[in-house]
Amino acid sequence: QVQLQESGPGLVKPSGTLSLTCAVSGGSISSSNWWSWVRQPPGKGLEWIGEIYHSGSTNYNPSLKSRVTISVDKSKNQFSLKLSSVTAADTAVYYCARESAVAEIYYMDVWGKGTTVTVSS
Amino acid sequence: DIQMTQSPSSLSASVGDRVTITCQASQDISNYLNWYQQKPGKAPKLLIYDASNLETGVPSRFSGSGSGTDFTFTISSLQPEDIATYYCQQYDNLRTFGPGTKVDIK
Repeated sequence: QVQLQESGPGLVKPSGTLSLTCAVSGGSISSSNWWSWVRQPPGKGLEWIGEIYHSGSTNYNPSLKSRVTISVDKSKNQFSLKLSSVTAADTAVYYCARESAVAEIYYMDVWGKGTTVTVSS
Repeated sequence: DIQMTQSPSSLSASVGDRVTITCQASQDISNYLNWYQQKPGKAPKLLIYDASNLETGVPSRFSGSGSGTDFTFTISSLQPEDIATYYCQQYDNLRTFGPGTKVDIK
């Protein structure tokens, strides 16, 4: 079965760039799914960041779009998140998720365990 | 942008009680709504997709209904292991999560 594993620095300096990778195992990133990033600030709810298809097509949350880049590396079966100009408000647990697509139905059915990123000097 | 609201924000109920959570979208999203359960320190888990379809392996005490702008999530008989926060999420236009409903045992 498909498993996802986030990795990346746990501490990022203010104004820097947050970079995370999600490794996909047990399945191909080139399957008919979208691959998403979701974050959760401490004690708060879930926020969708954006998603990518293996073709490279992306969709982003408008509130983050100017700072977010999601990319895919099919050779490594992984996808990545870059968030620039970070502030303390970007401190959160970051999850990657597979979004399955069946006809016009989409749902995030496989999730990574999440990785905590703290923005601090 | 589509905004999602949920009510209540939290609730306490007894084991065996019927629990109902509502989710409202700021515009018509047809059936394009999912429900997730999140336990403390864990990743979210898909329970219901397309408003009313139960994800494989999810107990039948969980159900969802609704269309358009108003949706309902129900636990028919609350169990201790259902203590969690529940989120609705629309996928009609990009993706948006509701603010969540925290469910506790009374």
